Amino acid sequence: AQSVTQLGSHVSVSEGALVLLRCNYSSSVPPYLFWYVQYPNQGLQLLLKYTTGATLVKGINGFEAEFKKSETSFHLTKPSAHMSDAAEYLCAVSELNTDKLIFGTGTRLQVFP
Amino acid sequence: GAGVSQSPSNKVTEKGKDVELRCDPISGHTALYWYRQRLGQGLEFLIYFQGNSAPDKSGLPSDRFSAERTGESVSTLTIQRTQQEDSAVYLCASKITGGLSYEQYFGPGTRLTVT
Repeated sequence: AQSVTQLGSHVSVSEGALVLLRCNYSSSVPPYLFWYVQYPNQGLQLLLKYTTGATLVKGINGFEAEFKKSETSFHLTKPSAHMSDAAEYLCAVSELNTDKLIFGTGTRLQVFP
Repeated sequence: GAGVSQSPSNKVTEKGKDVELRCDPISGHTALYWYRQRLGQGLEFLIYFQGNSAPDKSGLPSDRFSAERTGESVSTLTIQRTQQEDSAVYLCASKITGGLSYEQYFGPGTRLTVT
């Protein structure tokens, strides 16, 4: 069965610093990979996704992620954190037949001034 | 509205009572999903509807949980004889199937508290 591991339930960075949120998956076939963001009291919003093609994927709000098959990773990065980036970030992999999403446990990002 | 809507936004119920949660998917989306997010845990898949096919109920945690969907529209998730461990945010998502659109669009969720 597929699974997703997000290392670090909480990550804190200073405003302007690099953001790195880690995600590793287990899958016997090439998966579809997603990062969602959940702001307080709001629903999940898709940041970016990898399906096929280019392994470096750019998303909204300056985020990007790179699919590394050899490392079974899909880490999320942003060069310079902004206060508004404070939120819960969820990595997910989809099953090909149903597209149901398997989520990691999430990483809460705090940004300090 | 343009997005997925869910009602109620908050529900407090006593242990042992039945509750019904509603999801209105985006018009034209044939796939509909229910997930649960318990405190400190990731989202768990509950059930998946795709058109007229039999639903995938593999994520339902017990027979107290059931869900229905009328055609390609509204879905209701019913929890019978609620228990405290049922307290969670219940999220609904919908999706266009086919083509290259793989994104599930999520509703704001229903926060269920069982006292």
